[in-house]
Amino acid sequence: GNSVTQMEGPVTLSEEAFLTINCTYTATGYPSLFWYVQYPGEGLQLLLKATKADDKGSNKGFEATYRKETTSFHLEKGSVQVSDSAVYFCALSDRGTGNQFYFGTGTSLTVIP
Amino acid sequence: NAGVMQNPRHLVRRRGQEARLRCSPMKGHSHVYWYRQLPEEGLKFMVYLQKENIIDESGMPKERFSAEFPKEGPSILRIQQVVRGDSAAYFCASSPALRPRSPYGYTFGSGTRLTVV
Repeated sequence: GNSVTQMEGPVTLSEEAFLTINCTYTATGYPSLFWYVQYPGEGLQLLLKATKADDKGSNKGFEATYRKETTSFHLEKGSVQVSDSAVYFCALSDRGTGNQFYFGTGTSLTVIP
Repeated sequence: NAGVMQNPRHLVRRRGQEARLRCSPMKGHSHVYWYRQLPEEGLKFMVYLQKENIIDESGMPKERFSAEFPKEGPSILRIQQVVRGDSAAYFCASSPALRPRSPYGYTFGSGTRLTVV
């Protein structure tokens, strides 16, 4: 079946530190991979996506590369800001299962000045 | 340019009462999805609906939970005889008819946080 395993948090970093949040997946077909961000009290917002192996998604300084050989989609940012404090969810969608999303458990990030 | 609107934002119910959660999709979207986020867990798919049709309810608990998306008005997720274990955040997402099964058209609402006391 389909599943997503995400690095557990919470993660606390100082401003301008390097961020990595690990995400690995299991899928029966050819999934698309996503990172969503949830700010306090808000819904999920799409941060970036990748649809096939070796694709790199990027947005707002965040990047993630679809690695089929390691079934991974790790999220990285070179220099985090206080405004990046949020919960980050890795997710996959597999056309073979109707394009519903499978989410990881989320990683809470707090950036301190 | 309203997004997906969910209400109420917070809902408190006593055990045994009914909870009704509403979701108005984005303008032009005719497909609605409900997800549940239990404490310390990721979101789990519950149900996918089009106007007047349930397309996929594979994630819905077999008892006490039901969903509808009438021709007019919002989609409703209904939980009868709530129990403490129903306490969670319930998120709705919508997508346009043009690409209903494409994940790229998903837009999530801000969620309803249900607390059962």
